[in-house]
Amino acid sequence: AQTVTQSQPEMSVQEAETVTLSCTYDTSESDYYLFWYKQPPSRQMILVIRQEAYKQQNATENRFSVNFQKAAKSFSLKISDSQLGDAAMYFCAYQSGGSNYKLTFGKGTLLTVNP
Amino acid sequence: NAGVTQTPKFQVLKTGQSMTLQCAQDMNHEYMSWYRQDPGMGLRLIHYSVGAGITDQGEVPNGYNVSRSTTEDFPLRLLSAAPSQTSVYFCASSLAGVQETQYFGPGTRLLVL
Repeated sequence: AQTVTQSQPEMSVQEAETVTLSCTYDTSESDYYLFWYKQPPSRQMILVIRQEAYKQQNATENRFSVNFQKAAKSFSLKISDSQLGDAAMYFCAYQSGGSNYKLTFGKGTLLTVNP
Repeated sequence: NAGVTQTPKFQVLKTGQSMTLQCAQDMNHEYMSWYRQDPGMGLRLIHYSVGAGITDQGEVPNGYNVSRSTTEDFPLRLLSAAPSQTSVYFCASSLAGVQETQYFGPGTRLLVL
């Protein structure tokens, strides 16, 4: 079974600074997808960024980028120019590339943005 | 499009009561699923459906029933609520194909006393 580990229960960053959230995963599969979801206090799960394992290029979405290290099974999220609205719980998630739609989530990292 | 909608937003139940959590989507998504989120944990899959008339169990199915009579709706039933089912419940949906992004509803907070 796949597992996802987020080793940082809490992180904080100053507004306009950069922060990196860590995620590691364990799998024996070669085809899979990785995601970062943001959960603000409203509880809504919002997709931040996704990475296909077969792509070597790291995904980017505006101020959000990932560092995908397939051999090390590492998938970190970098938030640049942090904004107060980035404060939220962030979840790393894994999905198999087979016929299984199941998302396996980490326990989350609570990000605080200080003004 | 309303996206994925869930009702109610919050519900209090007594142990042994039954209820149905509603989930609907208007995006013609074939795949729908239910997750629960407990404090200090990520989301865990309860049940899922790859199309009308097809359902299957996820990681934590005990105590829950589902059915999928239409593409749009995927209700989650608690037949006899237990305090261990106190949680936040999320419904998600996507187009067919594991490469498709899953979209989540706003969640239902359930408290079982």
